[in-house]
Amino acid sequence: NAGVTQTPKFQVLKTGQSMTLQCAQDMNHEYMSWYRQDPGMGLRLIHYSVGAGITDQGEVPNGYNVSRSTTEDFPLRLLSAAPSQTSVYFCASSPYIDTEAFFGQGTRLTVV
Amino acid sequence: KQEVTQIPAALSVPEGENLVLNCSFTDSAIYNLQWFRQDPGKGLTSLLLIQSSQREQTSGRLNASLDKSSGRSTLYIAASQPGDSATYLCAVRSGGNFGNEKLTFGTGTRLTIIP
Repeated sequence: NAGVTQTPKFQVLKTGQSMTLQCAQDMNHEYMSWYRQDPGMGLRLIHYSVGAGITDQGEVPNGYNVSRSTTEDFPLRLLSAAPSQTSVYFCASSPYIDTEAFFGQGTRLTVV
Repeated sequence: KQEVTQIPAALSVPEGENLVLNCSFTDSAIYNLQWFRQDPGKGLTSLLLIQSSQREQTSGRLNASLDKSSGRSTLYIAASQPGDSATYLCAVRSGGNFGNEKLTFGTGTRLTIIP
């Protein structure tokens, strides 16, 4: 099984550029979410979705947009990249609220 | 607001020793607690999931316990091996301002097993 697949693995952006981080899962999971990981701060929730067509904000949503048009895909859009968005981004999915969460391999983003 | 703490931040032990990693959380109203392993530059690999109604879970040399009332979990690793070297993350799933889909992570314990 492919599990949770994130693309790209690495990306360098210039300040002000926009881009989309892709996340796809093939496990038919309803719940999907995006986290960012920064040194000394743990992973923090950006946005999440409880099913196709339903999204909501997490702890640190500013500067990011999401949409969920299908069960499988949950892209994260950076509207105008800033150096503060330099981080490692992880996508996660789980079948239900109280089940195991599965993570992708991450996207390492640098904004210069 | 849920907060998760993992102490120590780093730990080095000789190969073959048994060891315990600690995780504490401030709000006992959790759905479950999950332990992950993260290798440098890699993603998170799920190790064990403990539901709020359970006391412990075992997988191979790993045993995780949960004491919800005191807000604590431990990950016990038996007969440690150099391949166990990694950062171990604890995460609790709980409700709150962001709805139900929220994992709150600790900052991890970086474990080094010395051959």
